[in-house]
Amino acid sequence: EAQVTQNPRYLITVTGKKLTVTCSQNMNHEYMSWYRQDPGLGLRQIYYSMNVEVTDKGDVPEGYKVSRKEKRNFPLILESPSPNQTSLYFCASSLSGTGSYNSPLHFGNGTRLTVT
Amino acid sequence: AQKVTQAQTEISVVEKEDVTLDCVYETRDTTYYLFWYKQPPSGELVFLIRRNSFDEQNEISGRYSWNFQKSTSSFNFTITASQVVDSAVYFCALREYGNKLVFGAGTILRVKS
Repeated sequence: EAQVTQNPRYLITVTGKKLTVTCSQNMNHEYMSWYRQDPGLGLRQIYYSMNVEVTDKGDVPEGYKVSRKEKRNFPLILESPSPNQTSLYFCASSLSGTGSYNSPLHFGNGTRLTVT
Repeated sequence: AQKVTQAQTEISVVEKEDVTLDCVYETRDTTYYLFWYKQPPSGELVFLIRRNSFDEQNEISGRYSWNFQKSTSSFNFTITASQVVDSAVYFCALREYGNKLVFGAGTILRVKS
């Protein structure tokens, strides 16, 4: 089954304790992205990747890191989480390149992170 | 810069009423794509429809229909004869060249029985 898998679904942590949210897709998509969802703000892009070893900042990259060593994986790293990073996070993937911009994003089921 | 505005924060209707969700976008590109996503109470994001900037045809899919008007930069979504299962948050999104997808703030739709 074609899917984007995020783990964990729920995570409660304390300020400053490094964490990683994993994301994996099995559709051979070049493009992957991370979003955070906050009430009244919709989904805002954190980082995206056009292909392996190619990453770029989205609209709200501060406090986050990503890596794309393999095509299927795109982990989100919070080196020193703070309470303002409490949010619902989504990973997404799609085809990339000219002619693929109408490809819809496929989303994971989300990770609800609470930082106390 | 690209921007998507969903001015309706929340809409409540009674079952079987028709409801229209508004979406207004801003972009400087001539080639772009518009999307609607649904987020039911379970939380996942479900793709509903896409439309490219060269195709202004309206689309109907069952009880759902979409009205794309470049002249007013709008891509509105209408649900006919709404049902309780339509209760969700609906997001409109815009994708320009380079793959960045920008979302509106979302509209919460509550359908009461």
